Amino acid sequence: EAAVTQSPRSKVAVTGGKVTLSCHQTNNHDYMYWYRQDTGHGLRLIHYSYVADSTEKGDIPDGYKASRPSQENFSLILELASLSQTAVYFCASSDAGFQDTQYFGPGTRLLVL
Amino acid sequence: GEKVEQHQSTLSVREGDSAVINCTYTDTASSYFPWYKQEAGKSLHFVIDIRSNVDRKQSQRLTVLLDKKAKRFSLHITATQPEDSAIYFCAASKGGLSGKLTFGEGTQVTVIS
Repeated sequence: EAAVTQSPRSKVAVTGGKVTLSCHQTNNHDYMYWYRQDTGHGLRLIHYSYVADSTEKGDIPDGYKASRPSQENFSLILELASLSQTAVYFCASSDAGFQDTQYFGPGTRLLVL
Repeated sequence: GEKVEQHQSTLSVREGDSAVINCTYTDTASSYFPWYKQEAGKSLHFVIDIRSNVDRKQSQRLTVLLDKKAKRFSLHITATQPEDSAIYFCAASKGGLSGKLTFGEGTQVTVIS
């Protein structure tokens, strides 16, 4: 079964601080994604990557950076965390892009105070 | 960009009855329509999808219908069971690297025993 893990599972951060969310997949998938989920909303795409050492902007990239140092690892970086970035963050991977099944990690609950 | 709307935020159904969740999309170029399920406190997992070259797809108790003219697709769950209780997200993509997957806001389905 496909496996996507995320760390940390939850985090409390201070406004203006730096936050790094990590994602690791053992699916041998080329595509990886970062989404955020806000209460009462669907998922919105922040960044994605289809090859190591390259990332692409999603629909809501402002305030976020991404890093894909290897096929297995994909990080989301909040350089200056803000209150509005409080949300649940999901990482996902897929084999063949947006029109292929995405396998989601367990999520990271981020609270910015 | 693409917009996907789910017209019911909540849906209650008696155990054994059928449930129908409706979604509409705006981009006529969209060609891939997956559905994901999120159980309480958990991550999302894929349940079924449909591509634009067909108008119906069935997998066990799940059926997806696609009406390209109306830009509408729906998920039908027959013989509902308590384990069907979850949030269901529809999504759409037009494919390629620019065809990011756009999610609806989710429908909370509650199966009443």
